[in-house]
Amino acid sequence: KAGVTQTPRYLIKTRGQQVTLSCSPISGHRSVSWYQQTPGQGLQFLFEYFSETQRNKGNFPGRFSGRQFSNSRSEMNVSTLELGDSALYLCASSLSDSIQETQYFGPGTRLLVL
Amino acid sequence: GDSVTQMEGPVTLSEEAFLTINCTYTATGYPSLFWYVQYPGEGLQLLLKATKADDKGSNKGFEATYRKETTSFHLEKGSVQVSDSAVYFCALTAWYSSASKIIFGSGTRLSIRP
Repeated sequence: KAGVTQTPRYLIKTRGQQVTLSCSPISGHRSVSWYQQTPGQGLQFLFEYFSETQRNKGNFPGRFSGRQFSNSRSEMNVSTLELGDSALYLCASSLSDSIQETQYFGPGTRLLVL
Repeated sequence: GDSVTQMEGPVTLSEEAFLTINCTYTATGYPSLFWYVQYPGEGLQLLLKATKADDKGSNKGFEATYRKETTSFHLEKGSVQVSDSAVYFCALTAWYSSASKIIFGSGTRLSIRP
């Protein structure tokens, strides 16, 4: 079974631009979560989608948004990029939103904002 | 709020040494507990998990026991290898406002000398 895939793997943008990242979960998984990983702040939860509905959201500004499609694929969008948005963005999928479920992570998209 | 605290790194050990990485948590209710590992340039992988008190998770020689009385989930391995060099994250999942969310510790970098 294929793992979680994320595209693109690397991205360079300039301040003020916007970016869209894509995540394809493991087949059959309905829950997708997004995380931002930086050396200073560690792993921070962005949001979680389950069956196309946002179930939970972390403490990020409204510039960060996401959506989930009927096939469970998910996208996240960051508008008006800032230098501090440079990070590794990780997507994870799980079968359900049960707290006992394991999250399976993709390799991440490394975003550099210049 | 709920939180996870793990020992500061980096931790440097010689091959075949005994490993302990401490992890304690604060949570209301009954969370599930996880250890994830991140190898250089990759996303996170589940190492082991425990979903109720006194459960022991184990995988690849690593073990951790869910101790409710001490709110701990310490990671141990009897004899580490160079290939165990990675960053280890302790995490818990719990219900928040009718949706589940995962909270990660800050990560512990482990380096094993040959």
